[in-house]
Amino acid sequence: AQSVTQLDSQVPVFEEAPVELRCNYSSSVSVYLFWYVQYPNQGLQLLLKYLSGSTLVKGINGFEAEFNKSQTSFHLRKPSVHISDTAEYFCAVSGMDSSYKLIFGSGTRLLVRP
Amino acid sequence: KAGVTQTPRYLIKTRGQQVTLSCSPISGHRSVSWYQQTPGQGLQFLFEYFSETQRNKGNFPGRFSGRQFSNSRSEMNVSTLELGDSALYLCASSLVSDSEAFFGQGTRLTVV
Repeated sequence: AQSVTQLDSQVPVFEEAPVELRCNYSSSVSVYLFWYVQYPNQGLQLLLKYLSGSTLVKGINGFEAEFNKSQTSFHLRKPSVHISDTAEYFCAVSGMDSSYKLIFGSGTRLLVRP
Repeated sequence: KAGVTQTPRYLIKTRGQQVTLSCSPISGHRSVSWYQQTPGQGLQFLFEYFSETQRNKGNFPGRFSGRQFSNSRSEMNVSTLELGDSALYLCASSLVSDSEAFFGQGTRLTVV
């Protein structure tokens, strides 16, 4: 079984500042890792994913994440945020033995202030 | 290419009623998953269908059921609705099981 922890429920940041959203996971099997973004009254949009290979993954809208197996982490970063990045961000994991089943963290609300 | 379509977008039902939600996946996608999103429990996996077969089911009571048709469209049904079933129900489709899951905009169910 897998679980995901997003310790920060809300992260306020000023526009053009860097941001890091933290994600830690636990699993007894190898995993795939994902970050999704959700805007109000919308579904989920994939920002980036780690399936294998390079541990630094680049996604859409300038986001990137680094897979750290020893620390079981997959933190999301952006060097300079915009007002439009204000949204809910979800980290998710799926076991390679059940890759169709996503286990989500509780979400982090990124609030970008002018 | 059209995305994942969920209908209806909004629904209000009374306790004890039943409801059916529909999901049309992206053309060519054979895997369809359903998730429930609530403020208290977050995003939780309901079940997944692949080629009309349910491959896995989350920890939900038997009142929650689903099916998939030969054209990959899927429906989920909730019987004997409870107030706690009020949630955003999200459907996701993917080409194969380890590829990206594309989500629909969801159906907002309110039980009164």
